[in-house]
Amino acid sequence: DTGVSQNPRHKITKRGQNVTFRCDPISEHNRLYWYRQTLGQGPEFLTYFQNEAQLEKSRLLSDRFSAERPKGSFSTLEIQRTEQGDSAMYLCASSLVSSTGELFFGEGSRLTVL
Amino acid sequence: SQQGEEDPQALSIQEGENATMNCSYKTSINNLQWYRQNSGRGLVHLILIRSNEREKHSGRLRVTLDTSKKSSSLLITASRAADTASYFCATDAEGAQKLVFGQGTRLTINP
Repeated sequence: DTGVSQNPRHKITKRGQNVTFRCDPISEHNRLYWYRQTLGQGPEFLTYFQNEAQLEKSRLLSDRFSAERPKGSFSTLEIQRTEQGDSAMYLCASSLVSSTGELFFGEGSRLTVL
Repeated sequence: SQQGEEDPQALSIQEGENATMNCSYKTSINNLQWYRQNSGRGLVHLILIRSNEREKHSGRLRVTLDTSKKSSSLLITASRAADTASYFCATDAEGAQKLVFGQGTRLTINP
């Protein structure tokens, strides 16, 4: 098992462009989470999926943000019309529903919006 | 807004000393977890303590939980340079299916 994989690791884009991040969770994990982390802060919850169903979205997730997990395996997080305030580390984590709630994190995708 | 708050925000000690970090939270919880994050990397789970437990040990880690005070502490004994990282507590509020993280304690171990 290679753990949670996130791509790309780094993305630099200009304001107004769209970006997409991909997360491949641990294969048998049915829950997948997205968090956002800015410098010096803890991770902030964005959304989570159980299998292919998106069960909760944070108010932080504006209408410019969309996440999908089409077949209950990998997930994508798209940010449209990026703003400088979107610059952050986007973290993906996965877990088993039957577990105690321990999350397994990927290395993150760092977004810089110029 | 984040539920957990860690104290101190930053801690610098000499190698071999013990490091203690504290976490406070606001709502009733099922369990509390501690994670470590090396600079620019993802988070790694360290230890989980359930709401009906008061103390738990794992190697050089000792975690306590006081649900009456809504607080937890993480003790790292005999610190090593490799323990330099940020440490976060995370809680799952009762009925919630997500973890809420605190702002973290940045620990520096000086050789």
